[in-house]
Amino acid sequence: AQSVTQLDSHVSVSEGTPVLLRCNYSSSYSPSLFWYVQHPNKGLQLLLKYTSAATLVKGINGFEAEFKKSETSFHLTKPSAHMSDAAEYFCVVSDIWQGGKLIFGQGTELSVKP
Amino acid sequence: DSGVTQTPKHLITATGQRVTLRCSPRSGDLSVYWYQQSLDQGLQFLIQYYNGEERAKGNILERFSAQQFPDLHSELNLSSLELGDSALYFCASSARQGANEKLFFGSGTQLSVL
Repeated sequence: AQSVTQLDSHVSVSEGTPVLLRCNYSSSYSPSLFWYVQHPNKGLQLLLKYTSAATLVKGINGFEAEFKKSETSFHLTKPSAHMSDAAEYFCVVSDIWQGGKLIFGQGTELSVKP
Repeated sequence: DSGVTQTPKHLITATGQRVTLRCSPRSGDLSVYWYQQSLDQGLQFLIQYYNGEERAKGNILERFSAQQFPDLHSELNLSSLELGDSALYFCASSARQGANEKLFFGSGTQLSVL
């Protein structure tokens, strides 16, 4: 079975410092992986996705993630945090055996201090 | 704006009642997904429809049902409501189905069961 584990439930950074949100996945085959962001009182928005092309994936708002098969990881990074980045972030794997249904991690809440 | 419309935005009802949540997918999208987000369970996949047919089923209770109509909008019916059904219900749509499809999420319906 496929699953994702987000290693931190809460991450706090200062504005202008790097962001690292960690995600490990479990899959018996090459997975499709995504990062979604949820701002307060808003729906989910896709940040980026990995589908076995380039291992370094660039997304919106300066975020990127690197797929590392040897470490079964798909960590999300951003060089410099902005106040507007404060939100809940979800690492997601797609289950290809069930029509591509998304399996969400528990989420990481990112706080950005001025 | 993702293009996915969910109504109503908020719903307050009593235990034992029945409610219907509505979702209009993005124009041209054939696939509709329903997710439940609760504090203790996180984001859980409920069910997926593609062009009117059920394609995948997740952790959906027997008290819940859904359908997708010929105009591709979808409704999620929740009956015999319990306090634990209080959650944020998201609808998402994609052009087709499959592991690599990009999902667009609505802003959700907040259901409160009192």
